[in-house]
Amino acid sequence: SQTIHQWPATLVQPVGSPLSLECTVEGTSNPNLYWYRQAAGRGLQLLFYSVGIGQISSEVPQNLSASRPQDRQFILSSKKLLLSDSGFYLCAWERQGLNIQYFGAGTRLSVL
Amino acid sequence: AQSVTQLGSHVSVSEGALVLLRCNYSSSVPPYLFWYVQYPNQGLQLLLKYTTGATLVKGINGFEAEFKKSETSFHLTKPSAHMSDAAEYFCAVPSGSARQLTFGSGTQLTVLP
Repeated sequence: SQTIHQWPATLVQPVGSPLSLECTVEGTSNPNLYWYRQAAGRGLQLLFYSVGIGQISSEVPQNLSASRPQDRQFILSSKKLLLSDSGFYLCAWERQGLNIQYFGAGTRLSVL
Repeated sequence: AQSVTQLGSHVSVSEGALVLLRCNYSSSVPPYLFWYVQYPNQGLQLLLKYTTGATLVKGINGFEAEFKKSETSFHLTKPSAHMSDAAEYFCAVPSGSARQLTFGSGTQLTVLP
């Protein structure tokens, strides 16, 4: 069966510090991968998606970047965090062609 | 681009009462519609998926959703609420070029004893 892992679960970082959130998927190959952000009391906003290694598409201009160094690894990064980067970050995967996204448990990021 | 609107950011029901969470899609009939549930501090879990041609879609945990083209709606229901149903529920529709999902703003369901 397929599983998706995100870590860390919780992160508190000072403004201006770097960020690296990791997401890995097991039990499948060549998945579509997604990063979403969920701000407090709001819906989900798609940040990045990837249909293959090294292929990243960004949905909104922002302080964050994403990379996919391996088929089942998706990393969300920032060089300098802003207060507005606080939120709940969710990674998701989709088996190409099946049109269902499966989500990780999320990372709650607090930028202070 | 497709979008969904969830009416009611908060819904409260008594345990054992009917649950009705509303979702309307924006324009043309989408090929798929989804309901997800999110328990506190967790990721989203798929409840059910609509595909073209279906009307009543059954999901997990006793939930179901009825697709009504005439009303552009895909409301989520459960005949009898349980305390464990307390969570946030999101309706979603595919949009964009790469199987992106556009989510509604969510409905927080509270179940009262």
